[in-house]
Amino acid sequence: NAGVTQTPKFRVLKTGQSMTLLCAQDMNHEYMYWYRQDPGMGLRLIHYSVGEGTTAKGEVPDGYNVSRLKKQNFLLGLESAAPSQTSVYFCASSEQGAAYGYTFGSGTRLTVV
Amino acid sequence: LAKTTQPISMDSYEGQEVNITCSHNNIATNDYITWYQQFPSQGPRFIIQGYKTKVTNEVASLFIPADRKSSTLSLPRVSLSDTAVYYCLVGTLNTGFQKLVFGTGTRLLVSP
Repeated sequence: NAGVTQTPKFRVLKTGQSMTLLCAQDMNHEYMYWYRQDPGMGLRLIHYSVGEGTTAKGEVPDGYNVSRLKKQNFLLGLESAAPSQTSVYFCASSEQGAAYGYTFGSGTRLTVV
Repeated sequence: LAKTTQPISMDSYEGQEVNITCSHNNIATNDYITWYQQFPSQGPRFIIQGYKTKVTNEVASLFIPADRKSSTLSLPRVSLSDTAVYYCLVGTLNTGFQKLVFGTGTRLLVSP
C-alpha cells in the first residue's frame, strides 16, 4: 500500500517553462489537496478537489492549475514558472473533509531559476 | 476556522517528557483538535486527534481541558528521532470540505 505518491521528487525549471506535478493515491480517498511550503513556514493550500472531476481554489492559487480526471490522480500544473514558485510542494488526500487525518506525499522540491 | 497559537520552538533532552501547548480560544462546538508531525524533507504525518478530556495512542497523548480553549500534546520519553515540527490544527468533522490551516508549528529539538 503506497499511500500518496508524488512525482517527480526534484525538478529545476527555467523561468517561463511549464511542468506538471503528479500525485497518485491508492486509498480510494475522495479529497485531494496541493500545498506549498516555503522555508520556515507552514503549508499553504494551493488547490483542492472534493471528488473526481472537481477542483477548487485554495489560499494561493495564482499561477497554478489543477485537474482531477481520475479519482486516484491529482495533477498540479505550472504554465509559466516564476522564481516565486520555488518551493516544496506536497500533495495530500483524505477520506472525508478536513480534520480527519490527511495522508501526505513525500513532496516535490521545485527550483525555478 | 479557529486560529491556533503555539510556541515557535522548544528544546528537550532524550528521555524527557515534552508537552506542547496550543491555544485555540475561538474553537467552535463542532471542532476537533488535530496534531501533525513533520520531519525535515517529509510531508506532515497525522499524530493524534481529540475532542475533549484525554486521548492516548501509541505515539502521544492529547489533553484537552473542559473549556477546550487549549490543548496539550504530550510526548513521553522523547528520543532524537522526535526532533520535528509539530502542528496544532482545529477543524470540524462534519462532512463537506473545510480546509485545514497549517500555522508555522512548534519546532522541537531533542538533544542527547
